[in-house]
Amino acid sequence: SAVISQKPSRDICQRGTSLTIQCQVDSQVTMMFWYRQQPGQSLTLIATANQGSEATYESGFVIDKFPISRPNLTFSTLTVSNMSPEDSSIYLCSVGIEGARIEQYFGPGTRLTVT
Amino acid sequence: AQTVTQSQPEMSVQEAETVTLSCTYDTSENNYYLFWYKQPPSRQMILVIRQEAYKQQNATENRFSVNFQKAAKSFSLKISDSQLGDTAMYFCAFMKRPDSWGKLQFGAGTQVVVTP
Repeated sequence: SAVISQKPSRDICQRGTSLTIQCQVDSQVTMMFWYRQQPGQSLTLIATANQGSEATYESGFVIDKFPISRPNLTFSTLTVSNMSPEDSSIYLCSVGIEGARIEQYFGPGTRLTVT
Repeated sequence: AQTVTQSQPEMSVQEAETVTLSCTYDTSENNYYLFWYKQPPSRQMILVIRQEAYKQQNATENRFSVNFQKAAKSFSLKISDSQLGDTAMYFCAFMKRPDSWGKLQFGAGTQVVVTP
């Protein structure tokens, strides 16, 4: 199993500013993922964060808007840049562990409100 | 691209009763996983149950079981003996193997309300 923590748990930010969200895992994992959950919506994958290489972004998401760092096997950050009210969402970190069965765990999420 | 459809926005069930949530998906892949996640008001995503597509046997986890119909591309979740703590949003999710390992495609979700 994996225990995932995120900081901050919530924040209120002004339009045009940036926020960096941290994700810490209690064990080493190869791949980490960042998801967005807009109000009342389902989860959408933003990007895959691989240690030692550039993040891989899904369609509709770009590095300039959502830069990601992955300095080691237990930590990643997601930055939401030049925020607008449309960026108000819950951002969730996720890790996958492949053993006898695939286990996919999620962090508690960061609730971002942009005013 | 895969799509996951949950056609029931909300389901209400009384305590101790059984409720079934529907999920259908569209894929041309043969190797994949399916998941049900629960998201209570705390917003923590909790894995409820998983099913490997190559397994014919339906997965079960305590009070939770699935009816996996691969040909029909259907993956329903049955919650038996419903408890108040089961009140949550339930998401069906699809993962293609192996190249999309870890990347989940979610359905829109079904809100389950368990009443006393």
